[in-house]
Amino acid sequence: IAGITQAPTSQILAAGRRMTLRCTQDMRHNAMYWYRQDLGLGLRLIHYSNTAGTTGKGEVPDGYSVSRANTDDFPLTLASAVPSQTSVYFCASSRQPLGGDTEAFFGQGTRLTVV
Amino acid sequence: AQKVTQVQTEISVVEKEDVTLDCVYETRDTTYYLFWYKQPPSGELVFLIRRNSFDEQNEISGRYSWNFQKSTSSFNFTITASQVVDSAVYFCALGGYNTDKLIFGTGTRLQVFP
Repeated sequence: IAGITQAPTSQILAAGRRMTLRCTQDMRHNAMYWYRQDLGLGLRLIHYSNTAGTTGKGEVPDGYSVSRANTDDFPLTLASAVPSQTSVYFCASSRQPLGGDTEAFFGQGTRLTVV
Repeated sequence: AQKVTQVQTEISVVEKEDVTLDCVYETRDTTYYLFWYKQPPSGELVFLIRRNSFDEQNEISGRYSWNFQKSTSSFNFTITASQVVDSAVYFCALGGYNTDKLIFGTGTRLQVFP
């Protein structure tokens, strides 16, 4: 059982380049999320999707975009990377939106360094 | 606004000591959910527990126990007889009924020394 798969595992990216972080889940969960983890700041929500075809903004959405064309995939795109986007990115999913009685499952994370 | 505060940035203990990780939350929702996640050195986030706002019963799972007190807006996590394998960053999180999101605290790094 794969659960949530993120790719790549790590990446070094030149500033100004475009980058898409991939996330796929095989649990048929309705909701998916992207978080970034930074030292001293914990995990902060970037974007989320409660169901295929819908997306919403989290705490720190600027510089990122997402799409949810189907249930399984939730890619995160950095249109023009900046050094402040250096972080560890976690994709997560939950059976239903997290306002309900359900927990989120996380991928292994993508370590992104923007130079 | 929703907020989760974990005031303990880092805790160090010696194996077999008991340790409590504190979590204080703020929310205006009457229905909400509290979570603890563990992030071991390998980096993945592991779900430990979910508790809803209507269930204030404390929970014990092996060496882990959780104390939920609505009166103080706290959801503390105790590890009894700690082991080196408990070394990790532990995150407390809050999910609100009307927000569809999970808000995390900044985490507590626990180091258990042999």
